[in-house]
Amino acid sequence: SQTIHQWPATLVQPVGSPLSLECTVEGTSNPNLYWYRQAAGRGLQLLFYSVGIGQISSEVPQNLSASRPQDRQFILSSKKLLLSDSGFYLCAWSDGGTADTQYFGPGTRLTVL
Amino acid sequence: TQLLEQSPQFLSIQEGENLTVYCNSSSVFSSLQWYRQEPGEGPVLLVTVVTGGEVKKLKRLTFQFGDARKDSSLHITAAQPGDTGLYLCAGEGRDDYKLSFGAGTTVTVRA
Repeated sequence: SQTIHQWPATLVQPVGSPLSLECTVEGTSNPNLYWYRQAAGRGLQLLFYSVGIGQISSEVPQNLSASRPQDRQFILSSKKLLLSDSGFYLCAWSDGGTADTQYFGPGTRLTVL
Repeated sequence: TQLLEQSPQFLSIQEGENLTVYCNSSSVFSSLQWYRQEPGEGPVLLVTVVTGGEVKKLKRLTFQFGDARKDSSLHITAAQPGDTGLYLCAGEGRDDYKLSFGAGTTVTVRA
């Protein structure tokens, strides 16, 4: 069966510091991968998605970037964090089928102080 | 980006009561998914509906996809405290790999 991992689970970082969040998927090959940000108790905002190694599509211009160095690895980064980057970050995968159901990781709670 | 509107935003009911959550859009979707999320965790898929007019039942949960594939509803019968959570609907666009999410409905079931 497929599993998706995210780490760290929680992170507290000072403004201006760099960021690296990692997501890995097991049990599938060539998945579509996604990064979302969620405000407290609300819907999900798509940040980036990738349909293959090295292929990144950005949905929202911002202080963040994403990379996919391996087939089942997706990384969310920032060179300098802003206060507004605080939030709950979720990684998801799908197999790109007709009904493109997405499956989510456990999330990372990021607090920028 | 297709816009999905969920209603109501908040819903608080007594254990044993029924509830319905709505998800509406002016756009047509290839499929629509419902997720439930608990605080501090990732959303968990409940169901995917694909065919217009489709009705799926999952124990006490009934999901319906509108005939025109623009809207959906989630009905819970005899709600239990374990049904408490944030319910999210998400629609898959026709020509891309992305889902558009509604803002969610926070459901609280009081014992």
